[in-house]
Amino acid sequence: NAGVTQTPKFRVLKTGQSMTLLCAQDMNHEYMYWYRQDPGMGLRLIHYSVGEGTTAKGEVPDGYNVSRLKKQNFLLGLESAAPSQTSVYFCASRTGTGGNEKLFFGSGTQLSVL
Amino acid sequence: GQSLEQPSEVTAVEGAIVQINCTYQTSGFYGLSWYQQHDGGAPTFLSYNGLDGLEETGRFSSFLSRSDSYGYLLLQELQMKDSASYFCAVTNYGGSQGNLIFGKGTKLSVKP
Repeated sequence: NAGVTQTPKFRVLKTGQSMTLLCAQDMNHEYMYWYRQDPGMGLRLIHYSVGEGTTAKGEVPDGYNVSRLKKQNFLLGLESAAPSQTSVYFCASRTGTGGNEKLFFGSGTQLSVL
Repeated sequence: GQSLEQPSEVTAVEGAIVQINCTYQTSGFYGLSWYQQHDGGAPTFLSYNGLDGLEETGRFSSFLSRSDSYGYLLLQELQMKDSASYFCAVTNYGGSQGNLIFGKGTKLSVKP
C-alpha cells in the first residue's frame, strides 16, 4: 500500500515552461487536493476534487489547471510557469465520508521557477 | 471568505503542557482538524473534531466550541520530538463541500 505518491519530487523550470505534477493514491479515496506551501503562508489550497471527473477551485487557483480523469489520479498543470509559482506542492486525499476527515499527504514536490 | 487564526510561534520546555489556539471564520463549517509537520516533511494528521468537546489521543487532545468558532490543540508531557509546526484546518459542506482550508501554522519549539 503506497498511499499517496507524487511525481516528480524535484523540478526546475524556466519562466514560461509548462509541466504537469502527478498525484496517485491507492486507497480508493473520493476527495483529492493540491496545496502549495510557502514560508510563513501555511498550506494554501489550489484546486480540489470531490470525485472522478470533478474539480473545484481553492484559495489560489490562478495559473494552475487540474484534471481528475481517473479516481486514483489528480494532475496539476502549470501552462506557463512564473517565478511566483516557486513553492513546495503537496497532494492529499481522503475518503470524504462523514466523520472521517483525515487527509493523507504525499511527500511533496519542490518546484523552482527561474 | 474563510480565515483561520493561530499563533505563529510557541516555545515550551520538555515535560510541560502547551495549548495552541485556533479561531476560524467560515461558512458551512463541518469540522476542525489538526496536523503536525516536521521540517522538510509532509503534514500528518493528529485529530479531528466534528462535535463540541474534547477528543483525546494519547498525549494530544483537541477541543472544539462551534458556538465560539474556536478550538485548540493540547500537547502534554512535551518531548523534543514534538518540535514541529502545527496546523489547524476547517472542512466545509454545502456549496463548498470538500473544501479544506489550513491556517498558517504554529511553530512549536521544545527546549530541554
